[in-house]
Amino acid sequence: DAGVIQSPRHEVTEMGQEVTLRCKPISGHDYLFWYRQTMMRGLELLIYFNNNVPIDDSGMPEDRFSAKMPNASFSTLKIQPSEPRDSAVYFCASSLTDLGPHNNYEQYFGPGTRLTVT
Amino acid sequence: AQSVTQPDIHITVSEGASLELRCNYSYGATPYLFWYVQSPGQGLQLLLKYFSGDTLVQGIKGFEAEFKRSQSSFNLRKPSVHWSDAAEYFCAVVGSQGNLIFGKGTKLSVKP
Repeated sequence: DAGVIQSPRHEVTEMGQEVTLRCKPISGHDYLFWYRQTMMRGLELLIYFNNNVPIDDSGMPEDRFSAKMPNASFSTLKIQPSEPRDSAVYFCASSLTDLGPHNNYEQYFGPGTRLTVT
Repeated sequence: AQSVTQPDIHITVSEGASLELRCNYSYGATPYLFWYVQSPGQGLQLLLKYFSGDTLVQGIKGFEAEFKRSQSSFNLRKPSVHWSDAAEYFCAVVGSQGNLIFGKGTKLSVKP
């Protein structure tokens, strides 16, 4: 498997523009997570999905952020309008979470998208 | 609520020296615990995990961690550090909804 795929790897945009980050999870995984990492705040969970349904979006900083998962193989994180303080590395991760005897919660991370908003 | 504390923000060790990174968790039941490593410019990679059984867990790259329920700790160790181990290390515990709750991370620098 190719692992979690994120695109683009780097994005530079001007303040006020719309930014869309994309993620393809590992095939068969049922959880998908979006994280943001900055020097100041570390690794923050923004939102996660289970079977394409958003479970917890309490980490989404404000209404400018939105995330969708239209199907099991694709998710987007959109920022509209973008601001310089949104500059960060955004990670997507997926997992096949078995709450039964196999107890597997391991998350597999993508390489991240480095977003710079000027 | 579940939480993870990594008390050391930054640690520097000499190459060849032993390493211990601290992790304390807060969780009511038996925790499921992880250590991840992030090399510069990379995503997070799983080093090892503990679910049950033997409290000393072996991972990749020569790392091990010991689960101590009495101390609510899951410290990461390596007997001899290599320069390539310089990275940021994250401890995590599984939350009540199957998500991972990460600590703030410990950045490891290695002196030649």
